[in-house]
Amino acid sequence: QVQLVQSGAEVKKPGASVKVSCQASGYTFTNYGIAWVRQAPGQGLEWMGWISLYSGNTNYAQKLEGRVALTADKSTKTVYMELRSLRSDDTAVYYCARRISTGWYFGYWGQGTLVTVSS
Amino acid sequence: DIQLTQSPSFLSASVGDRVTITCRASQGINSYLAWYQQKPGKAPKLLIYSASTLQSGVPSRFSGSGSGTEFTLTITSLQPEDFATYYCQQLNTSPLTFGGGTNVEIK
Repeated sequence: QVQLVQSGAEVKKPGASVKVSCQASGYTFTNYGIAWVRQAPGQGLEWMGWISLYSGNTNYAQKLEGRVALTADKSTKTVYMELRSLRSDDTAVYYCARRISTGWYFGYWGQGTLVTVSS
Repeated sequence: DIQLTQSPSFLSASVGDRVTITCRASQGINSYLAWYQQKPGKAPKLLIYSASTLQSGVPSRFSGSGSGTEFTLTITSLQPEDFATYYCQQLNTSPLTFGGGTNVEIK
């Protein structure tokens, strides 16, 4: 069965960076892209970007361009999301999500990783 | 960016009720729309994609319709496990965007 397992909660100071991992299993890793979606406390969902595991191509939300980077390690079937220059409004639960074959609809999700940015 | 406006933002209903949630797009998105259900502390769950296709394993009381700029999610007979927040999402144009959510609560 498809599983996405994320790394644990993080507490960071403003200006620092965070790197969250998402390890995939149960399917051919390179066949499906992975996206990251975040959710601030009590708020809605915000798409951050996606990475194609076949080509390595990425596409980022413009508001995060320059601060976010998605990378992948095919040997461990792990995708990483790094967010730099953290601010208090980056405090959120960060989810990785796998697309389905039809398109960038998110049929499988990780359990979420809480990132808290606080001085 | 394409804005998705969901209505209502809050809905109070009883078990057995028929519930309809609307998602309006700021510009045409063909049928590139999905619906998700999210329960507190959990990741969202895909219910409907391509506006009207039921995701595998999702009960048939959920259905979706629409194209262009107006879409609906219908739950024909609300069950206790359906009380949750529902989001629409478009993928016609980058950036992918989500609606603001509809919180379905027990009356």
